[in-house]
Amino acid sequence: EDKVVQSPLSLVVHEGDTVTLNCSYEVTNFRSLLWYKQEKKAPTFLFMLTSSGIEKKSGRLSSILDKKELFSILNITATQTGDSAIYLCAVGGAGGTSYGKLTFGQGTILTVHP
Amino acid sequence: SQTIHQWPATLVQPVGSPLSLECTVEGTSNPNLYWYRQAAGRGLQLLFYSVGIGQISSEVPQNLSASRPQDRQFILSSKKLLLSDSGFYLCAWSTGFSISEKLFFGSGTQLSVL
Repeated sequence: EDKVVQSPLSLVVHEGDTVTLNCSYEVTNFRSLLWYKQEKKAPTFLFMLTSSGIEKKSGRLSSILDKKELFSILNITATQTGDSAIYLCAVGGAGGTSYGKLTFGQGTILTVHP
Repeated sequence: SQTIHQWPATLVQPVGSPLSLECTVEGTSNPNLYWYRQAAGRGLQLLFYSVGIGQISSEVPQNLSASRPQDRQFILSSKKLLLSDSGFYLCAWSTGFSISEKLFFGSGTQLSVL
């Protein structure tokens, strides 16, 4: 069974801090790893990673994938209160019953205080 | 551009009553459609997915069912709600049957069964 584990489950920081969110996975025939941000309702897409060692960057957010060690990290530098959200990691596999579906981790709740 | 509509946003139902949540997608053809449930502030659990009209795959045995009567319409139903059906339900779509594609989510339905 495919499995995605995120850590920490929750994190409280102050504005300006840098945070690192972790995602480890076990999946049949890995295809892609995705990060989503969920502020209130609909999760919104941040990154999709398919290759090891290639950093994806968007403003203060960046992410990288290690397919050998089966994990990814999401970094947020100079955090702002608007970064407060649940960050979801999801992994897609291509084998057997995994085909065509994403398995989500339990999420990291990030709270940024002014 | 593509948009996804999900309604209602909030629903309070008594135990034993029926349920019907609807999701429609605009601006694309033959999307893959998904229903997810999210426990309070946590990760997403895949309930059903569909790759075409009338084609439904169930991920977990439960009190719910799904139907896809039209290409861009996905319905989540129950004949008799249980307390354990309470939760936040998200509809999502992706283009084509490829897990490398990212999901686009609706705004969700908060269901409370009392």
